[in-house]
This record gives sequence, C-alpha cells and structure tokens, in this order.
Amino acid sequence: SQQGEEDPQALSIQEGENATMNCSYKTSINNLQWYRQNSGRGLVHLILIRSNEREKHSGRLRVTLDTSKKSSSLLITASRAADTASYFCATRISGYSTLTFGKGTMLLVSP
Amino acid sequence: GAGVSQTPSNKVTEKGKYVELRCDPISGHTALYWYRQSLGQGPEFLIYFQGTGAADDSGLPNDRFFAVRPEGSVSTLKIQRTERGDSAVYLCASTQTNTGELFFGEGSRLTVL
Repeated sequence: SQQGEEDPQALSIQEGENATMNCSYKTSINNLQWYRQNSGRGLVHLILIRSNEREKHSGRLRVTLDTSKKSSSLLITASRAADTASYFCATRISGYSTLTFGKGTMLLVSP
Repeated sequence: GAGVSQTPSNKVTEKGKYVELRCDPISGHTALYWYRQSLGQGPEFLIYFQGTGAADDSGLPNDRFFAVRPEGSVSTLKIQRTERGDSAVYLCASTQTNTGELFFGEGSRLTVL
C-alpha cells in the first residue's frame, strides 16, 4: 500500500509561475523526502525534511511539513520548462528502513 | 562507478520464462532497495538489503520473486515463471545510511508478452 498521496495528480502551468504540490500520509514518520522523475528515467532526490523540521529550502524549492496534519507541500518557484517531470513524496516510517512512495504529481511547465 | 547501474535496461520475455535483473550499487553503499513501478504509479517497495542479508522482503508479491546480494554489493532480482502482470520498470536504489536519501538507477523495463 502507498503511505503518501500527492495532490494534484497533474498540474499544468506557464514558465515563471510557481508550482505547489501537496502530500498527505497516514502514520508517524522519521522523515519525508521529495523525488523527481523525468519520463522514462530513474528518480532523483530533491530534498529531505525531518519530522522535527517545519520548513526547508533548496534553491528554488521550498518544502514544508506539518506533522499534526500529516501533510507536506513542495513549492517550486519561478518554474522553467525543464522542471517538467513527475514529483513524488516518500515517507520513512518511524522504526522502519523502507521508503514508501506516493503516486506522484505530473507537472507540465509550458514555455 | 559514479551511480547505480542496472542491466538490462530493457528486457522482453515470454510468459512463463525466467528473468534476472542486475543492480550494481554505488561503491560503499551498504543498503540496497528494489522497487517496481507500473505506468502512472509510484515506486512500490519489493525488498531491502542491509549488507548481504535481506532485512525486509515484505514487498515481494509472491514466491516467484527472489533477490540475492551474496557479497554485499551487486544484487540480482530473479523472477520465475513470468506473468504478463509482472511487466513494469524495476528500480534499484542504494544508500549509505538507511534513513537518508536513496540513489536510484535508471531502471530495467520488463515486458512479458
């Protein structure tokens, strides 16, 4: 079963706009991670946020975590056509070493 | 090597055949994971190795699936009596710490006819 569920399933925006993707999960976590996947390729790690952190930044990426609501969001600012990809959240449940992925959000950024 | 290497990149086989998929992790990474990804879905966990032993194989769908990592480096995922439903991309990932980020290979796309 999949622990994390992303919302929306698909998102289409123009270059320069911001893109926000949300992730909800069910059980207590050790950390939450976001990955990116270009079509037909492997997954690339973007950012990791620990359960005791609320916000983290990396370049144009901003991730928030609300453990009381069991949710996270990924914000990509000033999007570019090259940001077109699928984005997945993944949770590491407390006490376990496996990483459980959601179904992903497909982002399309048009020039 | 610089990254996780998976071979073959594509495999087409007939229903009922035996298949082996290989993963060569990043040198020094003690943890290795296998995932399966169907079209339009997220990666689904299959098995996790810590060193040579399978620390968690709870994601293997049935006894047709088996994986080994005899020397704590290269791993092979073995699928017996393949079925059309086994068609998917099989992803391998490795990591140095079992709580941090995973480094993924490009995957092996399996098509069972």
